[in-house]
Amino acid sequence: DQQVKQNSPSLSVQEGRISILNCDYTNSMFDYFLWYKKYPAEGPTFLISISSIKDKNEDGRFTVFLNKSAKHLSLHIVPSQPGDSAVYFCAAKPIHAGNMLTFGGGTRLMVKP
Amino acid sequence: NAGVTQTPKFRVLKTGQSMTLLCAQDMNHEYMYWYRQDPGMGLRLIHYSVGEGTTAKGEVPDGYNVSRLKKQNFLLGLESAAPSQTSVYFCASSPGVLTEAFFGQGTRLTVV
Repeated sequence: DQQVKQNSPSLSVQEGRISILNCDYTNSMFDYFLWYKKYPAEGPTFLISISSIKDKNEDGRFTVFLNKSAKHLSLHIVPSQPGDSAVYFCAAKPIHAGNMLTFGGGTRLMVKP
Repeated sequence: NAGVTQTPKFRVLKTGQSMTLLCAQDMNHEYMYWYRQDPGMGLRLIHYSVGEGTTAKGEVPDGYNVSRLKKQNFLLGLESAAPSQTSVYFCASSPGVLTEAFFGQGTRLTVV
C-alpha cells in the first residue's frame, strides 16, 4: 500500500496561471517533506521542502503548504511558466528514523503557452 | 562540476546475466542511495549507505547487492537479472539526513 500518494497523474495549466499539485500521506511518522522536479532523461532535482513544525514554506514562485491533520501537502506554482512542464514527485520521511525517503507516483505538469 | 555520475546510461541484459551499475559523486557526501523508478510507482529505495564501508536495505532490496568500498563510489550489482528488474535506476547522494538528495541522470536497464 502506497504511503505517499499523488492522485493526479497529470495536470494541464495555462501559462501565467496557478498550478496546484497535491500529495497525501498515510504514515503519521512522516515529518519532513520534499518536492522534486524531473525532466525527461534527467534525474530528479530538489525543489522545496517543509518540516512538520511549519505549515508553509515559500521560495520564489514555489510555495508548499502542509496540513498535518489532513495528512496532505500541496505545491503551488505562481505564475506557471512553460519551463515548469515536468514530472513532480512528492517525498516524505521521518526526521528521526533514518534516510529512507518514500516517494509518490508523480504528477506530470504541462504548462501551455 | 560533475555532481553524481552514473555508468552506464543504457544497458540491455539477457535473463540470468549479471552486471554492476557504478555511481560516483564528487561532493564528499556521506550518504548514498540507489532507487528504481517504475511507471506510476515513483522512486523506490533499493539500498543505501550512511558512510564508507556501510550499506543497508531499503524498500525493495531483493535481487540486488551493493558495496561502498570508497566514499565517492556506490556500486549496485545484479547477480542474475530478471525481467522484473527492467527499470530506470537512479543513484543519489546527500551530505546529511535532513538535506536534499542530489540525483544522477539515471540508467535505463532492460532485461529480456
